[in-house]
Amino acid sequence: DQQVKQNSPSLSVQEGRISILNCDYTNSMFDYFLWYKKYPAEGPTFLISISSIKDKNEDGRFTVFLNKSAKHLSLHIVPSQPGDSAVYFCAARETGTASKLTFGTGTRLQVTL
Amino acid sequence: DAMVIQNPRYQVTQFGKPVTLSCSQTLNHNVMYWYQQKSSQAPKLLFHYYDKDFNNEADTPDNFQSRRPNTSFCFLDIRSPGLGDAAMYLCATSVEAGVSPLHFGNGTRLTVT
Repeated sequence: DQQVKQNSPSLSVQEGRISILNCDYTNSMFDYFLWYKKYPAEGPTFLISISSIKDKNEDGRFTVFLNKSAKHLSLHIVPSQPGDSAVYFCAARETGTASKLTFGTGTRLQVTL
Repeated sequence: DAMVIQNPRYQVTQFGKPVTLSCSQTLNHNVMYWYQQKSSQAPKLLFHYYDKDFNNEADTPDNFQSRRPNTSFCFLDIRSPGLGDAAMYLCATSVEAGVSPLHFGNGTRLTVT
């Protein structure tokens, strides 16, 4: 049973526009959420995170929004750049399971010129 | 640069022939993890070490074992690889269990013939 779902396998956005990547979860015990970015032939790299006590966290061009009632989070990239083209993974941590992250299947973002 | 290094990048083994994947880190992190990622699937945690304490996920097959002889190194042993074990194996580290982000290596892609 997939507890973290990224329902869009791919997304294409024009350079300069906003990219919105979505993630849904089913486990109400998740209390911490992260986004990772992965380039081909490389491991995932940490991008941004949010605690369940917040509804927004911003870091430069990247903003993560959390809607706990809907069990939904999204990653906004504004403006999108060609270098943002990668696979983005949503991950979540369950309260009390300090080290275990549950990942989604990823969304491949393509930023076109 | 401090980093997580996985060797080899590509590993081919025969059905049933034991194989060992290696991971080393220069970050001096307490926690080391092994994830398995099959094509188009989410990375799945196999087990992790908090210092020398080994923590196995309940659904990790007995075929998979791990060793951490010191802080810097961690090994994944697959005793009798099956065709279904072909995957990308990702090693990761974190300072502490919990909210500190994971730092991933570039992975080892295992092929079983």
